[in-house]
Amino acid sequence: EPEVTQTPSHQVTQMGQEVILRCVPISNHLYFYWYRQILGQKVEFLVSFYNNEISEKSEIFDDQFSVERPDGSNFTLKIRSTKLEDSAMYFCASPKGGDRAGVTQYFGPGTRLTVL
Amino acid sequence: AQSVSQHNHHVILSEAASLELGCNYSYGGTVNLFWYVQYPGQHLQLLLKYFSGDPLVKGIKGFEAEFIKSKFSFNLRKPSVQWSDTAEYFCAVSTTSGTYKYIFGTGTRLKVLA
Repeated sequence: EPEVTQTPSHQVTQMGQEVILRCVPISNHLYFYWYRQILGQKVEFLVSFYNNEISEKSEIFDDQFSVERPDGSNFTLKIRSTKLEDSAMYFCASPKGGDRAGVTQYFGPGTRLTVL
Repeated sequence: AQSVSQHNHHVILSEAASLELGCNYSYGGTVNLFWYVQYPGQHLQLLLKYFSGDPLVKGIKGFEAEFIKSKFSFNLRKPSVQWSDTAEYFCAVSTTSGTYKYIFGTGTRLKVLA
């Protein structure tokens, strides 16, 4: 299975601090996604990123969130001023090229964000 | 709006028992359907997927799923579970155009007793 990697695996931060979660998606692909899973709840779509632009974002993805692809390989999710309710597992996903326009998404191992 | 329902939140089975996990979705158009598994401490892994064609799809590790369009369902089955199938199982749908974002069900936590 194609590999998507994420760092760090666990991030602990104080409320109000900025955090940056990093993902290395499958190389040479144009579509990337971030999802999150609050403990005990379903996995929720946050944002999709295509060709260096946000293509769709959910209601969760407010002004505190931003995504970037700073160097052509890494893909980051930034939360500017974290809140307690941002505590969750954050997953990056990337589709496999050539598979029905990249429909099947492969997920990274996730970053567990804990906001104190 | 799209939604996905998984009716069984927790399932406990003995080894060799048969498994069926329900998944229903709500969407008026054509969808792609997926089942993912998350073993303890690991990431989401693709079990199987349905795009079109034969509504009975086979995946890895002996799992299969059947798409029933009239019932908006995509139930996951395995004839004989093993202790190593203990995991959380997620059903997901995506549209066939646009951003292909996934909408997930709430997940079913399966525990298989040895």
